Amino acid sequence: AQSVAQPEDQVNVAEGNPLTVKCTYSVSGNPYLFWYVQYPNRGLQFLLKYITGDNLVKGSYGFEAEFNKSQTSFHLKKPSALVSDSALYFCAVRDPNSGGYQKVTFGTGTKLQVIP
Amino acid sequence: SQTIHQWPATLVQPVGSPLSLECTVEGTSNPNLYWYRQAAGRGLQLLFYSVGIGQISSEVPQNLSASRPQDRQFILSSKKLLLSDSGFYLCAWTEQYNEQFFGPGTRLTVL
Repeated sequence: AQSVAQPEDQVNVAEGNPLTVKCTYSVSGNPYLFWYVQYPNRGLQFLLKYITGDNLVKGSYGFEAEFNKSQTSFHLKKPSALVSDSALYFCAVRDPNSGGYQKVTFGTGTKLQVIP
Repeated sequence: SQTIHQWPATLVQPVGSPLSLECTVEGTSNPNLYWYRQAAGRGLQLLFYSVGIGQISSEVPQNLSASRPQDRQFILSSKKLLLSDSGFYLCAWTEQYNEQFFGPGTRLTVL
């Protein structure tokens, strides 16, 4: 069974500082990993994904994430946080080797608060 | 480009009343479609998924049902709503099991 954990319920960071939102995963094979962002009362928006290749993935709005197979992590990062980055962030995982319908498992979400 | 629509945006219904939420996707063919419920602005619970017309799989037993009468239409229904059905309902689609694209959501309040 696959799973994903977002250990921090909330992350506070000052505007202009670097931010990290943590995600760890568990799958039986090589994972497909995703990050999404959700603003209040809106649907989730896709930020970036890791399928294969370079461990550092760049996505929308200046976000990036690093795939670390040995630590089974896929942390979301941004060099300089903006107040407008304040939102709910979800990590998700899928095991492409699971066969048939490949369920996506979402983390419980991390609320990012960027303080002016 | 692809777009996904959900309606209504908000809905207030009495307990015991029926429900019909609609989701349509444009600009793609034979998408995989999903219904999620999000409670209290947090985790997503997968309710139903569909890989084709008339093909519906349920993730959890509940008071809801889903149908896919057309390739790009996904409907979430209930015959009698419960208080516990309140929540934020999200429809999503994907091609080839890549990233999912979500609709704007429907906020359902059951009174």
